[in-house]
Amino acid sequence: GNSVTQMEGPVTLSEEAFLTINCTYTATGYPSLFWYVQYPGEGLQLLLKATKADDKGSNKGFEATYRKETTSFHLEKGSVQVSDSAVYFCALSGNYGQNFVFGPGTRLSVLP
Amino acid sequence: EAQVTQNPRYLITVTGKKLTVTCSQNMNHEYMSWYRQDPGLGLRQIYYSMNVEVTDKGDVPEGYKVSRKEKRNFPLILESPSPNQTSLYFCASSDSDSPLGEQYFGPGTRLTVT
Repeated sequence: GNSVTQMEGPVTLSEEAFLTINCTYTATGYPSLFWYVQYPGEGLQLLLKATKADDKGSNKGFEATYRKETTSFHLEKGSVQVSDSAVYFCALSGNYGQNFVFGPGTRLSVLP
Repeated sequence: EAQVTQNPRYLITVTGKKLTVTCSQNMNHEYMSWYRQDPGLGLRQIYYSMNVEVTDKGDVPEGYKVSRKEKRNFPLILESPSPNQTSLYFCASSDSDSPLGEQYFGPGTRLTVT
């Protein structure tokens, strides 16, 4: 079946550092890929998405590129802020009526 | 405003007392789902529904029931709650394209079973 693997957290960075959170997936067909963010005490909200190979999703300074050849969708940000502290989830939705699959989440803490 | 609503937001109950957590969406989405979130375990799917009267088990369905009689509502039923069902629950909905579009999440229901 489909699956998503994310790098283990927690990740702790200083403000203005570069962020990468790795995400790889296993899926048949051509899934859509997503990054969700969960701020403390809140629900999940979509951060960015990509629906086909080589698409780049971007939002709030975050970017991720759908790499079919490496089955990856790594999340990056050039300069993190304290307000980016949250849990980040990589997810996919498959073809043929298949279900959503979430990765385990990566907790990011950004220190001033 | 497009949204997914859940009620109640907080609930404390006792073992064995049946409860229902409601979920409603106003986006005419066909796909709806329930998740539980526990520390260190991430987000785990309980049940999902691809359409009215069509439901299927997720990864952790034991101890839960759902129904989908109308497109907008997808209640989660705990017939006999136990302490191991203490958790944070999220409802979500999505359009039914293939593959599914982004999911919209409700604000969460924090359930404590004593």
